Amino acid sequence: AQKVTQAQTEISVVEKEDVTLDCVYETRDTTYYLFWYKQPPSGELVFLIRRNSFDEQNEISGRYSWNFQKSTSSFNFTITASQVVDSAVYFCALWGFQKLVFGTGTRLLVSP
Amino acid sequence: DTGVSQDPRHKITKRGQNVTFRCDPISEHNRLYWYRQTLGQGPEFLTYFQNEAQLEKSRLLSDRFSAERPKGSFSTLEIQRTEQGDSAMYLCASSLGGDRRYSYEQYFGPGTRLTVT
Repeated sequence: AQKVTQAQTEISVVEKEDVTLDCVYETRDTTYYLFWYKQPPSGELVFLIRRNSFDEQNEISGRYSWNFQKSTSSFNFTITASQVVDSAVYFCALWGFQKLVFGTGTRLLVSP
Repeated sequence: DTGVSQDPRHKITKRGQNVTFRCDPISEHNRLYWYRQTLGQGPEFLTYFQNEAQLEKSRLLSDRFSAERPKGSFSTLEIQRTEQGDSAMYLCASSLGGDRRYSYEQYFGPGTRLTVT
């Protein structure tokens, strides 16, 4: 069975703080894909990143970075120098057997 | 606007009525997905199409739910005899697709919020 766990329900930070969102996954597939999506208050899911199981290199995109560790089945997401516009619900998702399985999301509140 | 579009954005219906939602994917995408999202939860997979073929259906998709993608372009999701438990956001996503072992990123539409009274 495929499963994604986002243990942090809600995180509150002050602007300019760094914040890490945790994601732990379970799968028996040897080939799988991991994703992060952002859902701002407007409701539309915004794609952030896709990572396949063969590529454990960390990735940085501006203030965003992702740490993929197969040994611990984790795919964590860090926002550096957070901004109010980063306030949203962030979902980690696992693709396997032709469908995306989402975690329950982490709500990030960034206050000025 | 070349993103995924959904219509209507909001639907309020009385229990027992039928409703139909429409999704228009990104034009070059051959895969189309339907998800349901309830408050405080992540989206849950319902079904997906590759071109006009419906390749996967979730157990969540009861007999009252039916989805079509007749010409491999837009898709419709119909719910018959709606129940209050059907109240949710219904999301559509599209992606490229080829080998079934490979996943491209899925791009989501704004969703249709259904309220069953």
